[in-house]
Formats: sequence, C-alpha cells, structure tokens
Amino acid sequence: QKEVEQNSGPLSVPEGAIASLNCTYSDRGSQSFFWYRQYSGKSPELIMSIYSNGDKEDGRFTAQLNKASQYVSLLIRDSQPSDSATYLCAVRDNYGQNFVFGPGTRLSVLP
Amino acid sequence: EAGVAQSPRYKIIEKRQSVAFWCNPISGHATLYWYQQILGQGPKLLIQFQNNGVVDDSQLPKDRFSAERLKGVDSTLKIQPAKLEDSAVYLCASSLVTHRGRIGELFFGEGSRLTVL
Repeated sequence: QKEVEQNSGPLSVPEGAIASLNCTYSDRGSQSFFWYRQYSGKSPELIMSIYSNGDKEDGRFTAQLNKASQYVSLLIRDSQPSDSATYLCAVRDNYGQNFVFGPGTRLSVLP
Repeated sequence: EAGVAQSPRYKIIEKRQSVAFWCNPISGHATLYWYQQILGQGPKLLIQFQNNGVVDDSQLPKDRFSAERLKGVDSTLKIQPAKLEDSAVYLCASSLVTHRGRIGELFFGEGSRLTVL
C-alpha cells in the first residue's frame, strides 16, 4: 500500500513568517511530486510540482525534494492570511500513473 | 479554457437510495479520475480512466459503486445503495497524456458534495 504522510496540523504562523510543510512517502519508485492548496469548501488547486532532487522556486513558494530520504517539503515565504488553507502533498509513480494524496496539513496564517 | 465541470454540486439523500454524479473533463484530457474526499482527509482514488478504458478501479467498492466513460469524454459515477459512510465530496479530475505517454498534472472540478442521512 503506497502511503503519503503529512502532519495534519493546524500549523499556525504569524503573517510575514516562513511556513514549512512536510511530506514523506513510502514508494521509492515515485517520480513526481505535487503540492495542492485547498481552501475550505473548494477543490484542490495545483501550486507546485517537482520532479528532481533539490529546490524549485516559484514566487513565494519553494518546493524541496530529497528522494533518498523520501521527503518533500513546501516553504511559503512572507506568509499571508490568504495562504490559510489545507496543503495536500500528492505523489505519482511512473508505473501506476495515478496520484496518491496525503491527508493534508492545515495552515493558519495569523494577521 | 473551460475547466472540469461537475454536477450536481450538492446532493442529500437517505441511506439505501441511489445517486449519480456527472463529470465533463477539460477538452482533450484523455485521463479522468474520480476521487472521494471525506471531511478532514485527503482525496482517495476511486477509479481512473484513460479514454474509455479503466486503468485502476482497485479501490472502488464495486458492490455499490459503478462508473463509466462510454465515449471517452464525460463520465458518470453512481452509488446504489448509498450508506451513511458515503457522505463525502466526490471530486472529478482530468489530465493530459503527454507524447511520451506520461500523465500530466491533475486539474480538479468543484466537486459534488453528498450527504447521506
């Protein structure tokens, strides 16, 4: 059973701080990793994808991947109250071609 | 570009009744997924289609759930008979298949929220 784990939170950070969200996965064959943001009552929306070890930056968001440790993280710099949402980590392997989601981490950015 | 369309947005039924959800993916997306998301949990895959063929339905409770994608475009997910534990949001998602045969990113519809009383 392929598993993706995340701390459920809530993770509370003050406005302007860095929020750090973590995800671990069990399937060593996984090749593609995604972070989705889900506002309450809304559907998930893709914010970052990462395929290679290292860091990938997009605006205030940085995704970090370490395949040896089976670990992927998302950093949000200069956190804003509008970043308050649940962040879902999703993992896809090259064989099954489906996506396994973690339970999500609820982030609360306090003004 | 139009997104993934789903209907109905909300449905309330009593246990043992039946319900059907409809999904129309983004134009040109060969792969379509149905996910079940229970409150406070991540989406759980029910079934994956590529064109009109089933790729993975290993987690679909086949005694009560069925899904079809007859013409390789829109899809219907049915629950019959519904149980209390089926209360969830049913998310449809679609993705492209690249020229290398790989699945692209997932794009989700707004979801269909089911309440079973």
